[in-house]
Amino acid sequence: EIVLTQSPATVSVSPGERATLSCRASQSVRSNLAWYQQKPGQAPRLLIYGASTRAIGFPDRFSGSGSGTEFTLTISSLQSEDFAVYYCHQYNDWPPSFTFGPGTRVDMK
Amino acid sequence: LQLQESGPGLVKPSETLSLTCTVSGGSIISTSHFWGWIRQPPGKGLEWIGTIYYDGSTYYNPSLKSRVTLSVVTSMNQFFLSLTSVTVADTATYYCARQAYYDLSFDPWGQGILVTVSS
Repeated sequence: EIVLTQSPATVSVSPGERATLSCRASQSVRSNLAWYQQKPGQAPRLLIYGASTRAIGFPDRFSGSGSGTEFTLTISSLQSEDFAVYYCHQYNDWPPSFTFGPGTRVDMK
Repeated sequence: LQLQESGPGLVKPSETLSLTCTVSGGSIISTSHFWGWIRQPPGKGLEWIGTIYYDGSTYYNPSLKSRVTLSVVTSMNQFFLSLTSVTVADTATYYCARQAYYDLSFDPWGQGILVTVSS
């Protein structure tokens, strides 16, 4: 099983500041990695797929990068609506054995 | 396209949890998509349960494989989750979601249904 590690567990950021979230895979997942945003009481929402392609509906202040085992989600200028938990998800293997990271909470400083 | 989970919100220990996901605004008969189940215990992270194709092909999380069965009824545009011998550790919000054939990220998701295992 591919294990995903996210860091930090929590990051406190002021509105307008940049947030950088990390996701590390225990073995290469190539570019088969997605990021999801989850707000309290809501289902997760796809944010980034293919490591760097932004999903419809998200502004360009969100960007994803990386391949292999190291991935980064950057929020360039945090807005109030961006405070949430962010999960990474790998879907590299077939037959599938999908796994998620434990999540990073983005809190308001 | 929308997905909606339904089923009992309370299941007794050792019994079987059964949920339905109804797809609207599109057909479950798609050569371009798979259909998945994911769960989230209260206050915790996400766990993939399994994935099904419209032809009934199934793929399961190895850690749950002995207890999980996914099925599909294309005429009803629905797919189903059955989890046997549940314990309190199976208490979670259960989500269904679509996966593209060429990119297996989950999008969109249903709103989720909280299932509590308790006597």
